[in-house]
Amino acid sequence: EPEVTQTPSHQVTQMGQEVILRCVPISNHLYFYWYRQILGQKVEFLVSFYNNEISEKSEIFDDQFSVERPDGSNFTLKIRSTKLEDSAMYFCASSRDTSPRTFGSGTRLTVV
Amino acid sequence: GQQLNQSPQSMFIQEGEDVSMNCTSSSIFNTWLWYKQDPGEGPVLLIALYKAGELTSNGRLTAQFGITRKDSFLNISASIPSDVGIYFCAGLPGEYGNKLVFGAGTILRVKS
Repeated sequence: EPEVTQTPSHQVTQMGQEVILRCVPISNHLYFYWYRQILGQKVEFLVSFYNNEISEKSEIFDDQFSVERPDGSNFTLKIRSTKLEDSAMYFCASSRDTSPRTFGSGTRLTVV
Repeated sequence: GQQLNQSPQSMFIQEGEDVSMNCTSSSIFNTWLWYKQDPGEGPVLLIALYKAGELTSNGRLTAQFGITRKDSFLNISASIPSDVGIYFCAGLPGEYGNKLVFGAGTILRVKS
């Protein structure tokens, strides 16, 4: 079964530092997404990416966030200057069509 | 924005019992998805529903897309210990593109 792969599984960073979360979507998928889940809460949409550009983003996805598909396989989420409230599980997902299907196992980001 | 109200918040049932959970919204959704999340993992798709009135099964799981397009339910028959986890409904409000909205989740615990 094809998988969405995320690295690292856990990242600890100091407040104000930049972090890059990495994802390898399923190879024949065309739509890529980032979601966030604060501990004990529901999964929240951050951004969707299609055809090398952002197609939608939520109000959470402010100027501190950016996404990139630097090559044919990776999809990254960068948080420029992390805040304590950015601590959460970040999930990457990909799909062939516009119905998100496959999530990665997530990166737990802890900002201290 | 779009909101999904998922209930119950949690359930603690005896092994072998049937389980029912549902999601409602004041807005119309074009797609309903049901996911299961195990601790420390990403959501795993259980069932996808694309048409109002659609009833779909996946083993012991059955889900329906409400006729009004504002609700969906998930039933699990003859629960077993490995059914333990958090179940999320998620919907695609078609007019808002592919921004998948999640419910708050139902925590299922099974007594064996």
